[in-house]
Amino acid sequence: AAGVIQSPRHLIKEKRETATLKCYPIPRHDTVYWYQQGPGQDPQFLISFYEKMQSDKGSIPDRFSAQQFSDYHSELNMSSLELGDSALYFCASSLPTLTNTQYFGPGTRLTVL
Amino acid sequence: GQQVMQIPQYQHVQEGEDFTTYCNSSTTLSNIQWYKQRPGGHPVFLIQLVKSGEVKKQKRLTFQFGEAKKNSSLHITATQTTDVGTYFCAGSSGGYQKVTFGTGTKLQVIP
Repeated sequence: AAGVIQSPRHLIKEKRETATLKCYPIPRHDTVYWYQQGPGQDPQFLISFYEKMQSDKGSIPDRFSAQQFSDYHSELNMSSLELGDSALYFCASSLPTLTNTQYFGPGTRLTVL
Repeated sequence: GQQVMQIPQYQHVQEGEDFTTYCNSSTTLSNIQWYKQRPGGHPVFLIQLVKSGEVKKQKRLTFQFGEAKKNSSLHITATQTTDVGTYFCAGSSGGYQKVTFGTGTKLQVIP
């Protein structure tokens, strides 16, 4: 069965650089969620999209932005990177049901030097 | 905002012993989900509970949703080394709103 695809899987950036993470949801899933997980931490919700519109916003810094495109893939844009942005970034997708079960991608490991 | 706490934070058990993790929400939930994250992996959906007092079983795993829909538990009977990982509960207030993950319980099984 198709799963959530994230690219790249690993990314190394310098401070103050920008990064773009991509997420391709499971086919027919029209809701995408982004999470940030620091070492030993639980996933922190950043932002979600439903039908290409932002549906909810969590602890996403102002330096970050995201969008969902017409083919339902999503991109997380991160600017002015800081050392503290080093983390695993997960994308999850779900069908639009009341139970919103989320299926996670393998994650992108971002390292900011 | 909604907070979801889990206890214990860490648990070491001897293989064959039972294990339980508890999840408590600051607000009433419409549903609760459980995920397992293996070391170096991503969260994998295990189960979802929707009804008050609901109990569901998956082989050696038993999931329970509290009557007030503010707490939940996951019990593993006779742990195996394959059970190693971090177990997260995740609560939602329904609709398309965000899911708030619990703080997680890291399970280590000693062979």
